[in-house]
Amino acid sequence: DTGVSQNPRHKITKRGQNVTFRCDPISEHNRLYWYRQTLGQGPEFLTYFQNEAQLEKSRLLSDRFSAERPKGSFSTLEIQRTEQGDSAMYLCASIDGLGDGYTFGSGTRLTVV
Amino acid sequence: AQSVTQLGSHVSVSEGALVLLRCNYSSSVPPYLFWYVQYPNQGLQLLLKYTTGATLVKGINGFEAEFKKSETSFHLTKPSAHMSDAAEYFCAVAGASWGKLQFGAGTQVVVTP
Repeated sequence: DTGVSQNPRHKITKRGQNVTFRCDPISEHNRLYWYRQTLGQGPEFLTYFQNEAQLEKSRLLSDRFSAERPKGSFSTLEIQRTEQGDSAMYLCASIDGLGDGYTFGSGTRLTVV
Repeated sequence: AQSVTQLGSHVSVSEGALVLLRCNYSSSVPPYLFWYVQYPNQGLQLLLKYTTGATLVKGINGFEAEFKKSETSFHLTKPSAHMSDAAEYFCAVAGASWGKLQFGAGTQVVVTP
């Protein structure tokens, strides 16, 4: 058990560029969640998957954001045409079916310049 | 739907003094409740959780919390603060189906010598 892994840890991109983040959950965790956290705020829910199925997506999530979990293991979060307001920490979490709680990764910090 | 209110965005405590962080929740279903700690530029670490059973929950690093249904509260306490407790603390709520986790805005704890 190596925990939830997120890559890259930091990403600096120019406004208008596309970026993709990766999350590798704990092995055999069937649910995977994405959150966004801006400075001084609590994490904000974006979307979550059970295996490869996307079960819920926040209404706050613009259509520039898309997430996938094609084989029910790792997940990717893509942001198209980035804006300065997308600058934030993007957190991934996973859980198993046994109720041990949501385990978070260290996050990917995105800076849009 | 669930929501969380954390009373006090900043708390200052003396080393050795009681730490008390307040959390009230709203939930249309029986809640699962969590406290997480976050150190700068890191992910979220689970301190403790309540799902079912005993309403007084003990967690890591000497923290504990009590679920009070009648007061819709889940306050976090630690009898004696340590310098290493300086961090941001988040209360969160989820429904019993382990769907999305809803976070409060967080409480920044400062520990003074």
